[in-house]
Amino acid sequence: GQNIDQPTEMTATEGAIVQINCTYQTSGFNGLFWYQQHAGEAPTFLSYNVLDGLEEKGRFSSFLSRSKGYSYLLLKELQMKDSASYLCAALDSNYQLIWGAGTKLIIKP
Amino acid sequence: DVKVTQSSRYLVKRTGEKVFLECVQDMDHENMFWYRQDPGLGLRLIYFSYDVKMKEKGDIPEGYSVSREKKERFSLILESASTNQTSMYLCASSLAGEVPYNEQFFGPGTRLTVL
Repeated sequence: GQNIDQPTEMTATEGAIVQINCTYQTSGFNGLFWYQQHAGEAPTFLSYNVLDGLEEKGRFSSFLSRSKGYSYLLLKELQMKDSASYLCAALDSNYQLIWGAGTKLIIKP
Repeated sequence: DVKVTQSSRYLVKRTGEKVFLECVQDMDHENMFWYRQDPGLGLRLIYFSYDVKMKEKGDIPEGYSVSREKKERFSLILESASTNQTSMYLCASSLAGEVPYNEQFFGPGTRLTVL
């Protein structure tokens, strides 16, 4: 079956760096998305990776290894507003998104 | 900016009632989706639509139906609401095309409680 695994919850300190991991098993693969979802709000797009390697976008970077079925989201210089859930989703061979349950990130001062 | 709106943020209904959840997008997107989101589970796709009057079942269509009479509007219908349909319902839209990079834009969600 198709599956996405990511940690349920992580805690980090303001100003620090945190890495949120995601492993996926899908029928075919057409890329991996990361979304951010603040409590009570809609998910918003952060990044998309389809090739191996690191994509950097400001304080956020996303990495993909297709051979390992693995991705991570790296958040630098953490701010309190980064407290949110981070959703990993893989696009399968039918271009359907398979979603992980999300990682709740708690930022402490 | 793409805007996806949903008719209600919070809704309380009784078991057996017929429930309509409306979603409207203003960016002429071809694709529209309905998900439910429950604690500890990923977003689960209920139905999606690639065009007007077209619908496809997602992973959990049982107990739901949809309607897409106009391109900008996608409705989710619970014919006879049950308590296990208490959930957060999210609507999303995206552009169509050959490219796989189809970022989905989400509405604010409707938190439905069925008593």
